[in-house]
Amino acid sequence: DTGVSQNPRHKITKRGQNVTFRCDPISEHNRLYWYRQTLGQGPEFLTYFQNEAQLEKSRLLSDRFSAERPKGSFSTLEIQRTEQGDSAMYLCASSRGPEQPQHFGDGTRLSIL
Amino acid sequence: GEDVEQSLFLSVREGDSSVINCTYTDSSSTYLYWYKQEPGAGLQLLTYIFSNMDMKQDQRLTVLLNKKDKHLSLRIADTQTGDSAIYFCAERADYKLSFGAGTTVTVRA
Repeated sequence: DTGVSQNPRHKITKRGQNVTFRCDPISEHNRLYWYRQTLGQGPEFLTYFQNEAQLEKSRLLSDRFSAERPKGSFSTLEIQRTEQGDSAMYLCASSRGPEQPQHFGDGTRLSIL
Repeated sequence: GEDVEQSLFLSVREGDSSVINCTYTDSSSTYLYWYKQEPGAGLQLLTYIFSNMDMKQDQRLTVLLNKKDKHLSLRIADTQTGDSAIYFCAERADYKLSFGAGTTVTVRA
């Protein structure tokens, strides 16, 4: 396993801009998860995919957020019209199946100016 | 996560054992996890335990689960400076993980 890969590692942008993050899961992992972590807190669930199907979205995921996993491999998380409160670490995880542990990437740290 | 609670800080002398405690609330949790996070990095899976087990040992790590009290602990034997990090307890119910706020472990010489 090469591990979960996330890009970019850091993103600095001005308020109101759109940003997109990418996650490449461990190969053959059919489940992919997005979490958000703010300073001093544990990660909070945002959404998850089984293959290309998005099966659940948290209420934390406002309509400015959209996630896709078009071919059941990599996933993207887009935030439109960013706000100060979007500043956080965005973590991606994948698992081989529903009963298997989730393995995390190193995250993308988003800073809103 | 509001349903998982951990003490925030632990200071331990190098070579001693560390014990990190966690309480959770969801009795339907099937698996409970311990993750480690170093500065600027993601979460590294340390170990996990199925809810029908009481104990799991993995090298220097021992996990104890008291399902009646919904209490989980992680013991690290012979703590080293490389063990300094934030440790997260997480419960899994259905598909998602719910995390505590993390325990910052500082190892002093």
